[in-house]
Amino acid sequence: AQSVTQLGSHVSVSEGALVLLRCNYSSSVPPYLFWYVQYPNQGLQLLLKYTTGATLVKGINGFEAEFKKSETSFHLTKPSAHMSDAAEYFCAVSDDDRGSTLGRLYFGRGTQLTVWP
Amino acid sequence: DTAVSQTPKYLVTQMGNDKSIKCEQNLGHDTMYWYKQDSKKFLKIMFSYNNKELIINETVPNRFSPKSPDKAHLNLHINSLELGDSAVYFCASSQDRGENQPQHFGDGTRLSIL
Repeated sequence: AQSVTQLGSHVSVSEGALVLLRCNYSSSVPPYLFWYVQYPNQGLQLLLKYTTGATLVKGINGFEAEFKKSETSFHLTKPSAHMSDAAEYFCAVSDDDRGSTLGRLYFGRGTQLTVWP
Repeated sequence: DTAVSQTPKYLVTQMGNDKSIKCEQNLGHDTMYWYKQDSKKFLKIMFSYNNKELIINETVPNRFSPKSPDKAHLNLHINSLELGDSAVYFCASSQDRGENQPQHFGDGTRLSIL
C-alpha cells in the first residue's frame, strides 16, 4: 500500500517569506501525487497534481511542487507567503495498483501553515 | 453553485441513535467517496461508488452503510452511533475512478456523539 509522510505538523512563516511544506511518499510504482488545502470549516480543495510529464507542477494561488523520484518527495513551495495562505495542507498519493483504477487516495497527516504579519 | 453539497453541516446526537448524512454532486461525475477525518485531522477513505456500484469498502464497522440511489447522490447511514464515531465526514466526487482524477470535496458534516 501507499503511504505519505508530511514532515512538520505545524509550519510558521512571516508574510512575504518562502513557504516550504515537505511531503515524502512510498510507492512501488510511479505515483500520482496531489496537494490539497483545507480552510477552516471547509472541505479540501485541489492545489495541484502530478501525473506524468514535467516534474515541476504549478498550481493555484502561486503554489508549485516538484516531483523528485530519487528522493521520493513532492514538496510544496510558494515564494512569498500571504496571510490568506494560512490553512491546513494535505499531501496525497493515489492507489498503487495500476490495474485496479479505484482512485483510492492516501493522505498525509497534514501540515498547519500559520502566516504572521 | 455548490459542486458537492452535504447535509447536515452539523449533527449532534446521542449514543445508540441512527442517523444519515446526504451528499449530492452537480458536476456530472461518475465516482463518489466518503472520507472520515478524525480529531487529529487524519483523513481516511471509507467507501467509494462508481456509477452506483460499490468499488471501495474499507475496514469500516458494518454499522456504516452507504447507499447510492443514482450517480449524483451518495448517502451514508450510521446505526447505533458510538462515541468513536465523532468526526468530520467528507463526501467527494471525481470525473471517474481513474487514479489521476482530482477529487472535489464537500464542506463536511461535523458529527458529535454525546
